[in-house]
Amino acid sequence: AQTVTQSQPEMSVQEAETVTLSCTYDTSESDYYLFWYKQPPSRQMILVIRQEAYKQQNATENRFSVNFQKAAKSFSLKISDSQLGDAAMYFCAYKGRTSGTYKYIFGTGTRLKVLA
Amino acid sequence: NAGVTQTPKFQVLKTGQSMTLQCAQDMNHEYMSWYRQDPGMGLRLIHYSVGAGITDQGEVPNGYNVSRSTTEDFPLRLLSAAPSQTSVYFCASSYLGVGYTFGSGTRLTVV
Repeated sequence: AQTVTQSQPEMSVQEAETVTLSCTYDTSESDYYLFWYKQPPSRQMILVIRQEAYKQQNATENRFSVNFQKAAKSFSLKISDSQLGDAAMYFCAYKGRTSGTYKYIFGTGTRLKVLA
Repeated sequence: NAGVTQTPKFQVLKTGQSMTLQCAQDMNHEYMSWYRQDPGMGLRLIHYSVGAGITDQGEVPNGYNVSRSTTEDFPLRLLSAAPSQTSVYFCASSYLGVGYTFGSGTRLTVV
C-alpha cells in the first residue's frame, strides 16, 4: 500500500529566510502525481504545487519549489523569502492508481511558523 | 464562482442523530471524495466516487454512507452520530492529474 510520511510535525523559519519541508512516500507505481497543500488558520485547503512523476524537472511556483527525487521517493517543499502569510499547516499528498482507481493519500502535515 | 460548495460550515449533533453533509461541484469533475481531519492524523479518506453511480470505501468508512446520483453532487450521510465522529469534514473533487479542489469544510461536534 502507498504511504506518505511527513516526519516534521512542526517547523519554524525567520521571515525572509528559506525553509524546506520534508516528505517521503512509498509506492510501487511508476506513474503518479505529488502535491503540496497549504491549510492556513481559515481551514481552507489550497493547492501550492504539483509534480508529475514522469517529469524530471522540479516544479516551481513563485517562491515555492520542490526537490523531487524519484529514486529516493522524496518530495520536499522549499519556501524562499518566507512571509508571515506562509504560516500554515502543509500537507504532502500522493495520487496514484490502485486497482485501476486513482487514490489520494495525505501525510499527517507539518505546521510552519514564521517568526517576525 | 466555480468550485466546491460544502454545507453546513458548522453543526452540532446529539449522539444518535443522523444528518447529511452536502457537497456540490460545478467543474464537471469525475472524482469526488470525503475526508475527515483530526489533530495529528492528517486527512483520512472516508468514501470516494469516480463518477455518477460509482462509490467506494476509503480508509474510515464505518458510520458513513454516500451516494452519487449526479456528477455534481456527493452527499455524506451520518447514520447515527457518535462522539468519535466529531471532526472537520472536507469534500474535494478533481479531474485526473489535476490536484484537488476542496470545499471550505464542516466542523461537526457530536455531544
